[in-house]
Amino acid sequence: EMQVVQSGADVRKPGESLKISCEASGYIFTDYWIAWVRQMPGKGLEWMGSVYPADSDTRYSPSFQGQVIISADKSTNTAYLQWSNLKASDTAMYYCVGRAFDVWGQGTKVTVSS
Amino acid sequence: EDVLTQSPATLSLSPGERATISCRASQSIATYLAWFQQKPGQAPRLVIRDASSRASGIPDRFSGSGSGTDFTLTISSLEPEDFAVYFCQQRNNWPRVTFGPGTRVDIK
Repeated sequence: EMQVVQSGADVRKPGESLKISCEASGYIFTDYWIAWVRQMPGKGLEWMGSVYPADSDTRYSPSFQGQVIISADKSTNTAYLQWSNLKASDTAMYYCVGRAFDVWGQGTKVTVSS
Repeated sequence: EDVLTQSPATLSLSPGERATISCRASQSIATYLAWFQQKPGQAPRLVIRDASSRASGIPDRFSGSGSGTDFTLTISSLEPEDFAVYFCQQRNNWPRVTFGPGTRVDIK
């Protein structure tokens, strides 16, 4: 069964750092770009960026360039999304998506609040 | 930048009725368009890829059409489980993608 399993919900304070993860299984991880998608409360889907695990080539949406870092470890079939300086406006659900948007993780809820 | 618009924003229909959702791209994207369904509290699910190909496990009451700038998702006869939000996504500049704003299909 193809699946992507994400790390659990997290609550942080403004200014803190955070790294969330997703582990893919059931398909060849290095054959497909893996994407991160943000969904703010009650809002639509926003593509943040994607990484190609085979060579770590990474592309970012202009809206998120410089705000987050996306990476992947092909030895563990795991992709990451990280922040170094969280803001309250980063509060959202974050989805990791594999296999050309065919396999979605369950989402990681990130809450940033003082 | 590829911008997608969807219409209508909300569609109120009864089970058994036909749903038609439109997605328009700001420039031609050939058939590099996908549709996703999202139910409350769930992750989105791929419904249609390449404008008209149903994803695995999607019932044949779902169909997609269009090319260039104008696309349509049709649900021929709504089942109770089809009431959800639908997003289109352009893949013309893969792996960069953009999503439409979404169309909510709710029960009349």
